[in-house]
Amino acid sequence: DVKVTQSSRYLVKRTGEKVFLECVQDMDHENMFWYRQDPGLGLRLIYFSYDVKMKEKGDIPEGYSVSREKKERFSLILESASTNQTSMYLCASSSDSGVLTDTQYFGPGTRLTVL
Amino acid sequence: AQSVTQLDSQVPVFEEAPVELRCNYSSSVSVYLFWYVQYPNQGLQLLLKYLSGSTLVKGINGFEAEFNKSQTSFHLRKPSVHISDTAEYFCAVSGSGGGADGLTFGKGTHLIIQP
Repeated sequence: DVKVTQSSRYLVKRTGEKVFLECVQDMDHENMFWYRQDPGLGLRLIYFSYDVKMKEKGDIPEGYSVSREKKERFSLILESASTNQTSMYLCASSSDSGVLTDTQYFGPGTRLTVL
Repeated sequence: AQSVTQLDSQVPVFEEAPVELRCNYSSSVSVYLFWYVQYPNQGLQLLLKYLSGSTLVKGINGFEAEFNKSQTSFHLRKPSVHISDTAEYFCAVSGSGGGADGLTFGKGTHLIIQP
C-alpha cells in the first residue's frame, strides 16, 4: 500500500514564526502536492512538484514556499506565519506513468493553528 | 480554467436509503473526473474515477458514478447507505495537465446518515 506520512497531526505556532510541514511518501512517486483544506472552500492547491528540485505554483501560493531535495520528501514552508494560514494542510503524491490520470494518495493532514 | 460545483453542502439520508451526491464541472478541455471520500480525522481516499470508455463507473464500498458529457455532470450514487458512509465527499477534475498539475476540487458534500 502507498503510504504518505506527514510530520505532525497538530501544530500550534505564533504569528511571525517560520513553519515547516514535512511530507514523505514511500512509493517512489514523481509528483507531490500540497493542498490546504478550509470549511466551505474544499481543497485548494498551494504548490506541486513533478521532480526533485522542481516546483510549480498552484492556485494559492502566496505566503508559502516549498522544497524538494529528495524524491520522497516534499516540504511546505511558511516563511512568516499569519493567522489566516490557520488551516488543515494535506500532502499528496502520484505516479507519473505517462497517463494523465493517476490517482493521488493523501496523507492524514496537519492541522495548523497560528495564534 | 476548470471548476467543480458540488450543489449540496450537506445531505442527510436515512440508513438503507439511496443517495445521490451531485457534481457539475466546467472545463474547456477533456477532463478526467474523480470522487474522493474523507472520513472523520483522516486524509482523502479515492472512491472512483472516470478516465474514458463506459460512462458508468463503479468504485469501492458500493458507490458508482455516471459521467454525462452533455450535462457536464458526474453524480455519485449508492443504492443503500450505511452509518459507516458518514463522511465528506469531494468531486474533483483533472484537466489537460493531468495528475501532474494537481486536481481542482469541489467544496465538498457532507453526507449525514441518520439511523
